[in-house]
Amino acid sequence: DQQVKQNSPSLSVQEGRISILNCDYTNSMFDYFLWYKKYPAEGPTFLISISSIKDKNEDGRFTVFLNKSAKHLSLHIVPSQPGDSAVYICAAKAGGGNKLTFGTGTQLKVEL
Amino acid sequence: NAGVMQNPRHLVRRRGQEARLRCSPMKGHSHVYWYRQLPEEGLKFMVYLQKENIIDESGMPKERFSAEFPKEGPSILRIQQVVRGDSAAYFCASSPRGPSDTIYFGEGSWLTVV
Repeated sequence: DQQVKQNSPSLSVQEGRISILNCDYTNSMFDYFLWYKKYPAEGPTFLISISSIKDKNEDGRFTVFLNKSAKHLSLHIVPSQPGDSAVYICAAKAGGGNKLTFGTGTQLKVEL
Repeated sequence: NAGVMQNPRHLVRRRGQEARLRCSPMKGHSHVYWYRQLPEEGLKFMVYLQKENIIDESGMPKERFSAEFPKEGPSILRIQQVVRGDSAAYFCASSPRGPSDTIYFGEGSWLTVV
């Protein structure tokens, strides 16, 4: 039962363009969402988060959008840089819960 | 990832042996979490501990797996009588005040059972 889904296993974008990574969830109890960046053989690194009371959160080149009615969130990276090439993992948590539920990740490749 | 230290980074065990994975949280963090990533899957929650207490072990397999976070020293995830299906990446994470904080991950311990 995959409660957090990232349906695109990979995405390729040109340097300078926008990268849009998508995430869908099924559990309506989720109210806090996070994006992590992960390199091979390393642990996930926290990028940005959003609470369900907001629909947008921005941090530099990274913006996360939340559409609660569609149970969908997206991470926008603009402009994309070659150093952004990594796996991006979406995670969600239910209020007061102890655990994060992770998606399987999307491999982003930013090409020159 | 800076600060959460896991060791060993790579561990090979034969079937039936025991595996011990250690995690030292970031300085000032007293909440530790263990997650497991099986091949081709997302990270899955295993257990949440505070010093000397298991708070939530709802993700732990019922048998062979145990975790502790003693008053002194690192948190330890112990897997007894390992089987091939235990081969995975085990990630430890920590937070300062609990699950409502952002949690920060270590670099992981890769267990291979041969």
